[in-house]
Amino acid sequence: DAGVTQSPTHLIKTRGQHVTLRCSPISGHKSVSWYQQVLGQGPQFIFQYYEKEERGRGNFPDRFSARQFPNYSSELNVNALLLGDSALYLCASTAGGGPGNTIYFGEGSWLTVV
Amino acid sequence: ILNVEQSPQSLHVQEGDSTNFTCSFPSSNFYALHWYRWETAKSPEALFVMTLNGDEKKKGRISATLNTKEGYSYLYIKGSQPEDSATYLCAFLGGADGLTFGKGTHLIIQP
Repeated sequence: DAGVTQSPTHLIKTRGQHVTLRCSPISGHKSVSWYQQVLGQGPQFIFQYYEKEERGRGNFPDRFSARQFPNYSSELNVNALLLGDSALYLCASTAGGGPGNTIYFGEGSWLTVV
Repeated sequence: ILNVEQSPQSLHVQEGDSTNFTCSFPSSNFYALHWYRWETAKSPEALFVMTLNGDEKKKGRISATLNTKEGYSYLYIKGSQPEDSATYLCAFLGGADGLTFGKGTHLIIQP
């Protein structure tokens, strides 16, 4: 069975541009969340979606937005890119909203902003 | 701002030796504590989800304990093997704001 899949795996963007990252959750999982990991830090929570509704938002500016589609896949959008947005963006999925559910991660999308 | 601390930051262990490391987290508003194993260029691998004070979980040579009242969890690896080399992350779940991760313990097993 496929795990969490993300695309693209690597991309380079210029300051001020916009980027869209995509995520397909494990089949049957209805909750998707996004994390940003910069070098030397643990992943930091950006968004969580469950059944296409935003359920949680981390401390990120409004340049960051996301959505979840009827098939439970998700997109993370970042506008007006800054150099500091260079990071690994991880998508995670879980079956439901309960705290004891395992959260599975994809391999991430490496974003470099130049 | 939630504070999740992991120690040590890095650890060199001889093959065959056992080792352990610590995760400390807020003792209030606790929902769950997750442990992950993360190798370079791979996705973080879920090891354990722990929700109850006193929980002990085991997966092969790896085990974990949880103390929610004092806010810490230990991860133990028995008889370390080279394939155990990885970064081990703990993550605290305290509500609707997703997982709060520590910075990880970077484990290197020396043959």
